[in-house]
Amino acid sequence: QKEVEQDPGPLSVPEGAIVSLNCTYSNSAFQYFMWYRQYSRKGPELLMYTYSSGNKEDGRFTAQVDKSSKYISLFIRDSQPSDSATYLCAMSGTGGFKTIFGAGTRLFVKA
Amino acid sequence: DTGVSQDPRHKITKRGQNVTFRCDPISEHNRLYWYRQTLGQGPEFLTYFQNEAQLEKSRLLSDRFSAERPKGSFSTLEIQRTEQGDSAMYLCASSLGKKKDRPEVNYGYTFGSGTRLTVV
Repeated sequence: QKEVEQDPGPLSVPEGAIVSLNCTYSNSAFQYFMWYRQYSRKGPELLMYTYSSGNKEDGRFTAQVDKSSKYISLFIRDSQPSDSATYLCAMSGTGGFKTIFGAGTRLFVKA
Repeated sequence: DTGVSQDPRHKITKRGQNVTFRCDPISEHNRLYWYRQTLGQGPEFLTYFQNEAQLEKSRLLSDRFSAERPKGSFSTLEIQRTEQGDSAMYLCASSLGKKKDRPEVNYGYTFGSGTRLTVV
């Protein structure tokens, strides 16, 4: 079993929809929970991160972490065609240095 | 500073040949990482440097792989005797270190655009 599980999709939604992306994990030592966005032929770029549990909001994006369930989510409100990309969840602990990535979910937002 | 640079962007090589990739991180970043990404998968950790010291290596990094970061600046990743299974995107990333007095702050990684390796 992988440390981080993420449904690869693809997920196709109409413009303006609310998108929900999710990951589960098994390592209870993870303390940093991140979401990266990756466009085709580009490296991932950091969208948001959350330390420990709770919610974080940044514009149209909301990240949620439920450590009791080992489950994290990213919500995108008022989705735009420019949001079409692969979204990677990522996690790391306080002691280690490496970040573990999910497989990524491909999102298509149709105009 | 224009971000993390990787060179070359694409490399096609014959099986058995050696290849070397270069990564120039953001100059203020003391941490540098190499990841490998195959189609439909997330990046997999290969190795990590803090300044010039290589502090962690993945079991994915067989003895055919070697990475260096002389003087804590740019880094190179060399693959010897390439195999078709080495075909992938090789991503370099850099970051600032975490602050001990502010553990809630995580700067995340800044990735380069990657080097796409095709072994034929």
